Amino acid sequence: QSVLTQPPSASGTPGQRVTISCSGSSSNIGSNYVYWYQQLPGTAPKLLIYRSDQRPSGVPDRFSGSKSGTSASLAISGLRSEDEAEYYCAAWDDSLKVFGTGTKVTVL
Amino acid sequence: EEQLAESGGGLVQPGRSLRLSCAASGFTFGDYAMHWVRQAPGKGLEWVSGLSWNSDNIGYADSVKGRFTISRDNAKNSLYLQMNSLRAEDTALYYCARDISGWWKDAFDIWGQGTMVNVSS
Repeated sequence: QSVLTQPPSASGTPGQRVTISCSGSSSNIGSNYVYWYQQLPGTAPKLLIYRSDQRPSGVPDRFSGSKSGTSASLAISGLRSEDEAEYYCAAWDDSLKVFGTGTKVTVL
Repeated sequence: EEQLAESGGGLVQPGRSLRLSCAASGFTFGDYAMHWVRQAPGKGLEWVSGLSWNSDNIGYADSVKGRFTISRDNAKNSLYLQMNSLRAEDTALYYCARDISGWWKDAFDIWGQGTMVNVSS
């Protein structure tokens, strides 16, 4: 059962900025890094943001992550059709990695 | 190219066992912690288990603790998941994933394509 809460859906038109929230607790987000993964339909997840605000090489700077207290956010600026996917936040909670409930981003 | 390839999935009856394998290529497998993550049909991601580069640190989700065993063979560039006493709720696509760290509590940067496990009578 997910302990990180995300909105089930988010949407925007091409070029817009979309923000996804991720709510946790003091034992996970409040005391550890946050990670964001993108899962395109029918494919394996892909690392998008690590250690709360770091982008792996190859990830466009349109994607940015932030954390404050027990919550985190992923922002997608300049939304593109290829950004249509499921997005999951994640964090370590003691020795367990917990994932968020997932947010489906739709490009209108 | 850095790759992971899972195998060993299939249809299995409740209560039986199955062993998953994950073959790594294109990188020094022994330098990295590794994990198993599963995704039930139409559902979200669930971390199953992980272990450090030298197997000294191992963790399991509460849902599989006592039934699943993770292991690795660095000489064979392989990760394993022994799954015993399987239940219907274990039905999922099982991914292996590489940790960016050797000490198993960081991001997962390389993922395989997954192997499907279907537990049904």
